[in-house]
Amino acid sequence: NAGVTQTPKFQVLKTGQSMTLQCAQDMNHEYMSWYRQDPGMGLRLIHYSVGAGITDQGEVPNGYNVSRSTTEDFPLRLLSAAPSQTSVYFCASSRTSGGAVGYEQFFGPGTRLTVL
Amino acid sequence: GENVEQHPSTLSVQEGDSAVIKCTYSDSASNYFPWYKQELGKRPQLIIDIRSNVGEKKDQRIAVTLNKTAKHFSLHITETQPEDSAVYFCAASILGGFQKLVFGTGTRLLVSP
Repeated sequence: NAGVTQTPKFQVLKTGQSMTLQCAQDMNHEYMSWYRQDPGMGLRLIHYSVGAGITDQGEVPNGYNVSRSTTEDFPLRLLSAAPSQTSVYFCASSRTSGGAVGYEQFFGPGTRLTVL
Repeated sequence: GENVEQHPSTLSVQEGDSAVIKCTYSDSASNYFPWYKQELGKRPQLIIDIRSNVGEKKDQRIAVTLNKTAKHFSLHITETQPEDSAVYFCAASILGGFQKLVFGTGTRLLVSP
């Protein structure tokens, strides 16, 4: 299993450009989420999804859109990039049913985004 | 909304010493408290977690304790080793579920040989 994969690893954008960060998982997890990580601020939830066709906002959703058309994929779209969106972005997935497996969130390797 | 505070922000210990990281949370409905370890340039990885119906959990050199009345939980690492050096994040679930998490701001642990 590849686990959680993210592309690209690095990206540089100019202010106002748009782009999509890709995230995929092959563990058949129902729950997927996007976080941003900034120095000294931990991980902050942007958007999350509990299954295909269902998404909701997290702590810091402004400037980002998501969709979940399949169980495997959960792309994050930056509509009009701003320097304040310079960050490291992590995608994560987990089961929703818990049980013996538990609720561990598995993180992808991250995308380092710089907006000039 | 939920607020998770984590202390200290940095912690330096000698190899073999114990390390303790503390977190407090505000939402009394929180029922799941994971701890993640993140090495430099890597992704966060779960090291231990605890649910609200348990007061303590151990896994070899790592333990977590939970005090629901006081709304705080702690990570204890015994016999620290240089490879324990990393940033550690606590988190608490919100809205009574297990997946939606609010993270602390992290503790940078440095274990010197």
